[in-house]
Amino acid sequence: DGGITQSPKYLFRKEGQNVTLSCEQNLNHDAMYWYRQDPGQGLRLIYYSQIVNDFQKGDIAEGYSVSREKKESFPLTVTSAQKNPTAFYLCASSYRGNEQYFGPGTRLTVT
Amino acid sequence: QKEVEQDPGPLSVPEGAIVSLNCTYSNSAFQYFMWYRQYSRKGPELLMYTYSSGNKEDGRFTAQVDKSSKYISLFIRDSQPSDSATYLCAMSVEGKLIFGQGTELSVKP
Repeated sequence: DGGITQSPKYLFRKEGQNVTLSCEQNLNHDAMYWYRQDPGQGLRLIYYSQIVNDFQKGDIAEGYSVSREKKESFPLTVTSAQKNPTAFYLCASSYRGNEQYFGPGTRLTVT
Repeated sequence: QKEVEQDPGPLSVPEGAIVSLNCTYSNSAFQYFMWYRQYSRKGPELLMYTYSSGNKEDGRFTAQVDKSSKYISLFIRDSQPSDSATYLCAMSVEGKLIFGQGTELSVKP
């Protein structure tokens, strides 16, 4: 089965802790993306990577970090510097950069 | 002004109705236009993808793009309760997508 997997589905953390969200794809896509979704705000781009060992900041990168050591994997770390980390996080991948395919998402709650 | 504007709804229609969902945009550089469907607490699913002005049909769904007016639409014919979801328009430039807020649609049996 080809697709994008994100884990875990739900994640709970205490304020001040860093947390890493997993994203894996077996579609052989070069590009991968992380978005954040809040109620009534659509999707906002956090980071994206068009090739292994390279990534760029999106519109709301502050408080987040990523790595792209393998083509299949693009983990996102939500650091303690992120002011409002509670959100629904979506990972996507793309072959040509236009049509993006999404994973099932991780709902992060920080208290 | 946001680059992509989409009426958030909610929109409620009876089963069998024709649904029209719309987005306007301000950036002439947008080249590709997409519609995604997102069920509650799930990832968005790509429904339609087009890059030129005009209509594109896929079953009960028709995507329409008018680049001169900077306006795109998604029409759903013979709407079903299973179409109840949030519909997101998205536009691409330089490999990045800009999304509308999403329109929440409810189709009542």
